Amino acid sequence: AQTVTQSQPEMSVQEAETVTLSCTYDTSESDYYLFWYKQPPSRQMILVIRQEAYKQQNATENRFSVNFQKAAKSFSLKISDSQLGDAAMYFCAYWGINAGGTSYGKLTFGQGTILTVHP
Amino acid sequence: DAGVIQSPRHEVTEMGQEVTLRCKPISGHNSLFWYRQTMMRGLELLIYFNNNVPIDDSGMPEDRFSAKMPNASFSTLKIQPSEPRDSAVYFCASRRGRAKNIQYFGAGTRLSVL
Repeated sequence: AQTVTQSQPEMSVQEAETVTLSCTYDTSESDYYLFWYKQPPSRQMILVIRQEAYKQQNATENRFSVNFQKAAKSFSLKISDSQLGDAAMYFCAYWGINAGGTSYGKLTFGQGTILTVHP
Repeated sequence: DAGVIQSPRHEVTEMGQEVTLRCKPISGHNSLFWYRQTMMRGLELLIYFNNNVPIDDSGMPEDRFSAKMPNASFSTLKIQPSEPRDSAVYFCASRRGRAKNIQYFGAGTRLSVL
């Protein structure tokens, strides 16, 4: 079974600084997607960024970028120029394509990292 | 687009009562997911529908939980009878097709069973 581990229960950053959230995963599948979701106090789960495993280039979305290390099974999220609105719980998630090539559709989530942004 | 709509936003009930949570997926999405979020267990998938058909309900905790999707625009998650340990936030998510697997989440229902 696939597992996703976020080893940092809490992180903090000063406004305008950069912070990196860690995520590792375990899988035997060769093709999969990785995601970072943000959950602010409003509870809404918001997709931040997505990485396709077969793509070597790291995904970027404005101030958000990932460092995808496939061999190490590591998928960290970097937030540049942190803003107060970035304060939230961040979840790393995994979705895999099984050996039969079918997309099951089940997202496996990590335990989350609470990010605090200090003004 | 209105996004995934869940109701109610909050539900407080007493142990033993029946609880029904509702979800309206994004129009055109053919997959629907129910998740439960607790401090102890994080986010867990309860059940997954594809084209209104339940594909995998292995995450449903026990027979007290049931889910239905009578049509493409509506799903319910029912707990009968409810217990205090069912207290959690329940999320519904929907997805179009399967190629890129972006699941869009509703705002969740916070359930408190007293």
